[in-house]
Amino acid sequence: GAGVSQSPSNKVTEKGKDVELRCDPISGHTALYWYRQRLGQGLEFLIYFQGNSAPDKSGLPSDRFSAERTGESVSTLTIQRTQQEDSAVYLCASSTAPGAGNTIYFGEGSWLTVV
Amino acid sequence: SQQGEEDPQALSIQEGENATMNCSYKTSINNLQWYRQNSGRGLVHLILIRSNEREKHSGRLRVTLDTSKKSSSLLITASRAADTASYFCATHGSSNTGKLIFGQGTTLQVKP
Repeated sequence: GAGVSQSPSNKVTEKGKDVELRCDPISGHTALYWYRQRLGQGLEFLIYFQGNSAPDKSGLPSDRFSAERTGESVSTLTIQRTQQEDSAVYLCASSTAPGAGNTIYFGEGSWLTVV
Repeated sequence: SQQGEEDPQALSIQEGENATMNCSYKTSINNLQWYRQNSGRGLVHLILIRSNEREKHSGRLRVTLDTSKKSSSLLITASRAADTASYFCATHGSSNTGKLIFGQGTTLQVKP
C-alpha cells in the first residue's frame, strides 16, 4: 500500500476483554515495529519483526501482550485481559530493512481506551 | 530508561520566529532522527543525521549533532502556525536491529 495502515483507528473496550490491533506495512518492507504511546508521553518500543520472526520483543510489558506477523506482511498485536493502564495509542511502523539508517514510516495509530 | 531526552518540554513562539529544540542521549549511536507528530496522528520522519555528520539542512530545518556531548538540536527557522506539533528525537543504538528509542518530545506552539 501507499502507507502503513492500522485498524481499528479507535477502540473502546471493557476491562478484562481481549483486543486485536492490526497493521498493514508498506508493501515490500521487511521490518515492522510496534510502539505504544500514552497520552502526552513519548513512544515506548514494544516489538520488532524482521520478516515473520521477532528478534526483539524486549518491550512487551507483560505476558498479556503478544504479536505475530504472517506472510512477511500483516501483523497483529493482541492484548489479553485488558487493563486500564493499557489505554494508549498503539503505533505501527515499517522500513525496507532493519538497521540504522533506514527511515521508519509510521501509521496513524490505533487509539485504545479501556473502560 | 529513555535514550533521548528533549528540552524544552514545551515551547511557545510567534509566527516568524525561530524555534530550537534540544535532545540529549545516553549511549553511543549510529544515527539520530527527528520526527514530528501532529496532535492525535502518526509520526512523520523529518530528518536523519548520521554519527559522522555534524550538521544537516532540509528546507527550514537545521539539525546539529555533537557526539562528544551526546546531544542534538533541531532548529526551525521562520516558523509558521502549521509547524505547531510535537517533535521527537530518536536514536538507533550502535547495534543494527533497527530499534529506535524515542525521547519524551517537545511540544511546539506557533502563534499566528
